[in-house]
Parts: sequence; C-alpha cells; structure tokens
Amino acid sequence: EVQLVQSGAEVKKPGESLKISCQVSAYTFTSYWIGWVRQMPGKGLECMGIIYPGDSDTRYSPSFQGQVTISADKSISTAYLQWDSLKASDTAMYYCARHRITGSARYFDHWGQGTLVTVSS
Amino acid sequence: QSVLTQPPSASGTPGQRVTISCSGSTSNIGSNIVNWYQQLPGTAPKLLIYGNDQRPSGVPDRFSGSRSGTSASLAISGLQSEDEADYYCAIWDDSLGVFGGGTKLTVL
Repeated sequence: EVQLVQSGAEVKKPGESLKISCQVSAYTFTSYWIGWVRQMPGKGLECMGIIYPGDSDTRYSPSFQGQVTISADKSISTAYLQWDSLKASDTAMYYCARHRITGSARYFDHWGQGTLVTVSS
Repeated sequence: QSVLTQPPSASGTPGQRVTISCSGSTSNIGSNIVNWYQQLPGTAPKLLIYGNDQRPSGVPDRFSGSRSGTSASLAISGLQSEDEADYYCAIWDDSLGVFGGGTKLTVL
C-alpha cells in the first residue's frame, strides 16, 4: 500500500528555520513527482511546488518561489520542504502528495497526513 | 482568489442529489483536465475524481464528475451524512496544480 508519512507538528518562532519531511513507501520514489500543498487555517488548498526525485527537477508556484525550498533524498525515499526564516504567516498545515499521470490526466493520488506548522513569538 | 471559482457552500438532505460547480475560463478548465478532491473534517484531502469523470478504486459510484466548456461539476447522488466535507476542484496547469477555493457541503 502506497504511503506518505510526514514528520510531526512543529512550533517555531519567527525568524527560525525549519525542514519538514515526507517519507514514502511501497512505490519507486524516483519515478513519481511529489508535491507540497499548503492549507492555511480555515482556508483552501494551494500547490506550493513539486519535485521529481529522480533528477531533483523542481518547479515552484510563483507565490512560493524564493520563500521555500523543496528537496529530496533518494537514499531514504524522503522529500523535504524547508524555510530559512519563518514568518507568522507560514502558520499552516502542509501536505505532501504523490503526483500521478494517467493518459492526459495529472493529479495527486496519494496524500500524506499533514504537518502542522505554527509560527508564533 | 483562485482562477477556479466554486460556491463557498452547498447543502442537501440525506438521499438527495447535490451538484457542486467549478467555473473557469478557456485558459484553465477549457484546456485542462479537471480533478476533484474530498477533505473530510480534520483529515488530509483524498482524490475523488480524476480525468474529468474517472473514479479511483474505492470511490462509490454515487460520485460523478463532468466537464463542459469552461465549467466542471461534481455530482453526489444518494447523499449521506458522511459526505459532509470540503470539496475542491483542481487542474494541472503549466506544471503546477491549481485548486478551486473549495465548497463546504453540509448534509442537513
């Protein structure tokens, strides 16, 4: 069974750095793109960016370019989302999700359980 | 503000048929395939419909999707209390996912 297991909730102060993870199992990590999706409190879903672990090709949504870094470690089948300097506005639930292509259809077919990031002084 | 417009809320009674719309333009829905996600309270989103009208394994056939022109719809027939959730339409545009604003479905 395909699984994406995310790291636990984090409480940080503004200006601190953070790296959260998404470890996958039961499929070939390097053969599928993985995306990160933000959900701010009480709000909708926003795609932040995606990475192809096979060659680390990474695409960012314009809203998140320069604000976060997406990376992957093939040796442990894990994708990461990191911030160098957190802001209170980064407080949100963050989901990783596997991207799949079926014919012309592209979609997120499996999701992690989410990592809650709280940034507060 | 998403380029994909959904009504913020919808409601229905058990057994009823409910539809949720997702409207866009020729540059998004009009030229891309639509997917739908269900997010039950306090849980991660789940893929409900992909490829405009395809159901993943395990999704009941009460759920159906369609696309016409610059709009898409999700229909839920035989509404059940456990269908109370947020529903999001989404497309894949220029290598990135784009979600609608979401519709909160209440089962009365």
